[in-house]
Amino acid sequence: QKEVEQDPGPLSVPEGAIVSLNCTYSNSAFQYFMWYRQYSRKGPELLMYTYSSGNKEDGRFTAQVDKSSKYISLFIRDSQPSDSATYLCAMLLSSYGKLTFGQGTILTVHP
Amino acid sequence: DGGITQSPKYLFRKEGQNVTLSCEQNLNHDAMYWYRQDPGQGLRLIYYSQIVNDFQKGDIAEGYSVSREKKESFPLTVTSAQKNPTAFYLCASGGMNEQFFGPGTRLTVL
Repeated sequence: QKEVEQDPGPLSVPEGAIVSLNCTYSNSAFQYFMWYRQYSRKGPELLMYTYSSGNKEDGRFTAQVDKSSKYISLFIRDSQPSDSATYLCAMLLSSYGKLTFGQGTILTVHP
Repeated sequence: DGGITQSPKYLFRKEGQNVTLSCEQNLNHDAMYWYRQDPGQGLRLIYYSQIVNDFQKGDIAEGYSVSREKKESFPLTVTSAQKNPTAFYLCASGGMNEQFFGPGTRLTVL
């Protein structure tokens, strides 16, 4: 069993839809949770970072962490074609440690 | 202009050759990392370094080597011992709880 599971999709939605991306994890020791966006043939870009259970909002993006269920989500409101990318969840056990990634979800937002 | 640079963007290698991928950062980060990305497998850690002159193996270090002689630089050598080196290689650097990535190098073995 992988430490971090992420549905690879692909996920296709119409412009303006609310998108929900999810990851589950098995190691309850993970402390820090990140979402990266990766455009084709580019390096991942850090979107959201959080370390506590609950919601964190940044513009159209909301990151949600539920440590009791070992489940994290990224919500994208009013999705745009420019949001089309691969979204990767990642987790850290401790500061300066190694990131453990999910497989990534491919998202397409069509006009 | 702060950030992480990787070179070259594309690299072609013949079987049996060693090649070195460059990674430089001017973010003053202590920690640097090398990941490999294959389709459908996410990112896997090859090596990481938390301080100059020190580095640790990641999950898939076999066939790779690194050095960390300067804080700004963390080159990765893909040796002929790496059986399946064709992949997208990503370098990252980080502060305490965040990591930032470079643009990547796509290596193809001919």
